Amino acid sequence: AQSVSQHNHHVILSEAASLELGCNYSYGGTVNLFWYVQYPGQHLQLLLKYFSGDPLVKGIKGFEAEFIKSKFSFNLRKPSVQWSDTAEYFCAVNSGGYNKLIFGAGTRLAVHP
Amino acid sequence: DGGITQSPKYLFRKEGQNVTLSCEQNLNHDAMYWYRQDPGQGLRLIYYSQIVNDFQKGDIAEGYSVSREKKESFPLTVTSAQKNPTAFYLCASSTRGPVTEAFFGQGTRLTVV
Repeated sequence: AQSVSQHNHHVILSEAASLELGCNYSYGGTVNLFWYVQYPGQHLQLLLKYFSGDPLVKGIKGFEAEFIKSKFSFNLRKPSVQWSDTAEYFCAVNSGGYNKLIFGAGTRLAVHP
Repeated sequence: DGGITQSPKYLFRKEGQNVTLSCEQNLNHDAMYWYRQDPGQGLRLIYYSQIVNDFQKGDIAEGYSVSREKKESFPLTVTSAQKNPTAFYLCASSTRGPVTEAFFGQGTRLTVV
């Protein structure tokens, strides 16, 4: 069965530190990959997505992610985090032509000023 | 404003009672989803529907039921068979086929006492 693993459940950083959140998925076929963010008290928002083409995708608020097919990974990065990046981040996968969208367990990021 | 509306925001029910959560969208999306969000477990897929009058079980469908009689609406019933119904429930919608982006509602927090 399709699954998504996010290995970091809680991450604590100081402002200006670099961020990398891991995401691995289990499906071997064609996949669409997503990172969503949930700020405290707000609904889930799309950060970035990958369908095909350049494996390095850029999203909103300075986030980027790299798709490495051989590693089944889609890690999220940001060179310098801000206090306002404090949120929960979710990786998600959609495989093939179906509408089954599977999420990881999420990573809670806390950024201290 | 286009979007997804979930109601109510907070819901309290007595143990043993069925309860129905509402989800309406005006984005003209064919596909709709219900997720359950629990701390440390991310979003787990309950049911999804790719088109009117059709829906499929997700990973944790036991104790839940849905209907999709209209394109705009995808209500979720939490039945008395659901052993641990207290949770945060999220509804989403997207275009049909490979998911390009899913849009989320604000969620309903159900507490069963």
